[in-house]
Amino acid sequence: EVQLLESGGGLVQPGGSRRLSCSASGFTFGSYAMNWVRQAPGKGLEWVSSIGGGGGIIKYADSVRGRFTISRDNAKNTLWLQMNSLRGDDTAVYYCAKGFPTRLFDYYMDVWGKGTTVTVSS
Amino acid sequence: QSALTQPPSASGSPGQSVTISCTGTSSDIGSYDYVSWYQQHPGKAPKLMIYEVDKRPSGVPGRFSGSKSGNTASLTVSGLQAEDEADYYCSSYGGRNNLVVFGGGTKLTVL
Repeated sequence: EVQLLESGGGLVQPGGSRRLSCSASGFTFGSYAMNWVRQAPGKGLEWVSSIGGGGGIIKYADSVRGRFTISRDNAKNTLWLQMNSLRGDDTAVYYCAKGFPTRLFDYYMDVWGKGTTVTVSS
Repeated sequence: QSALTQPPSASGSPGQSVTISCTGTSSDIGSYDYVSWYQQHPGKAPKLMIYEVDKRPSGVPGRFSGSKSGNTASLTVSGLQAEDEADYYCSSYGGRNNLVVFGGGTKLTVL
């Protein structure tokens, strides 16, 4: 069974850092792009970052560029999101999602984890 | 403010059809067929329902269909069922700087 399990969420002070992890199982991890998507309380989905299967293609949303870093270790079937300089508007449930590749676009998301909650507050 | 515009709510009775719109620009929906739709039940993770404008992943009922005209994409749910009540989000390729953009979401109520 294809599964994604996020961890690392918690309460962080403004300006602080947090590292989220996403452990994957049930598929050939390195063959797929991976994504982070977040959802603030009571709000909609917001794309955060994506990384290609080999790690060579990395993209960020304007709202996190320069503060967040996505990375992966295909040998460990693990995706990370390093979050620095956290602000109150980063408070959200953070989902990792597996890319669903098509001929032209690798970043549809067909498998999602249950999410991990990050709360930025003093 | 979301990059793609959706109506906040939609509704229909069981058995009816309902269509949810998603309006973008000529830089996203208008130029690329990389439109997808996600269903999210309360407290649950999103689920991919439509990709590449009108394609359904394996396991998604045929009652769900997608289309696009100009800068607007649409999701139609035919033969509404109680379990279709959920939030629906459209998404599109947003360009080289913002790879993926989402709509603000539409809450579908089955009356």
